[in-house]
Amino acid sequence: GQNIDQPTEMTATEGAIVQINCTYQTSGFNGLFWYQQHAGEAPTFLSYNVLDGLEEKGRFSSFLSRSKGYSYLLLKELQMKDSASYLCAAMDSNYQLIWGAGTKLIIKP
Amino acid sequence: DADVTQTPRNRITKTGKRIMLECSQTKGHDRMYWYRQDPGLGLQLIYYSFDVKDINKGEISDGYSVSRQAQAKFSLSLESAIPNQTALYFCATSDGQVDTGELFFGEGSRLTVL
Repeated sequence: GQNIDQPTEMTATEGAIVQINCTYQTSGFNGLFWYQQHAGEAPTFLSYNVLDGLEEKGRFSSFLSRSKGYSYLLLKELQMKDSASYLCAAMDSNYQLIWGAGTKLIIKP
Repeated sequence: DADVTQTPRNRITKTGKRIMLECSQTKGHDRMYWYRQDPGLGLQLIYYSFDVKDINKGEISDGYSVSRQAQAKFSLSLESAIPNQTALYFCATSDGQVDTGELFFGEGSRLTVL
């Protein structure tokens, strides 16, 4: 079956760095997405990886290892506004997104 | 104004009632989707449409139906609502470019079935 695993909740300190991991099993693979969702709001796109390696975008970076079925989202210089859920989603061979349940990130002062 | 608009934003209804959730978009995208989100679960795809004449079932289509009235409008109906359809529903659009694949979500419609 197809499956996405990510931690349910993580806590980090303002100004620090946090890494949110995601492992996936899909029938075929056409890319890995990360979305941010603040409580009560819609998800918003953060990143897309289809090739192995690190993609950096400001304070946020996303890494992919296709051979390991593994990705992570790295958030640097954490700010209180980064408190949100982070959703990992893998696109399968039919170009359908398989979503993880999301990681709730709590930022403490 | 939001690019993807959902109505109503909140709805409380009773078991057996017919409910319609509406979605309209100004992004000019051909592809539209309906998802539901439950606590502790990933987003689940209900139906999707790649153009006005193309409607496809997602992973959890039972108990739901859709209508693509125009490129910009995609409605989700619950013919006879039941309590386990209580959830947060999202409409989303994309421009079909696989190399980006970015989905643009509406603000969500919270449905409670009593």
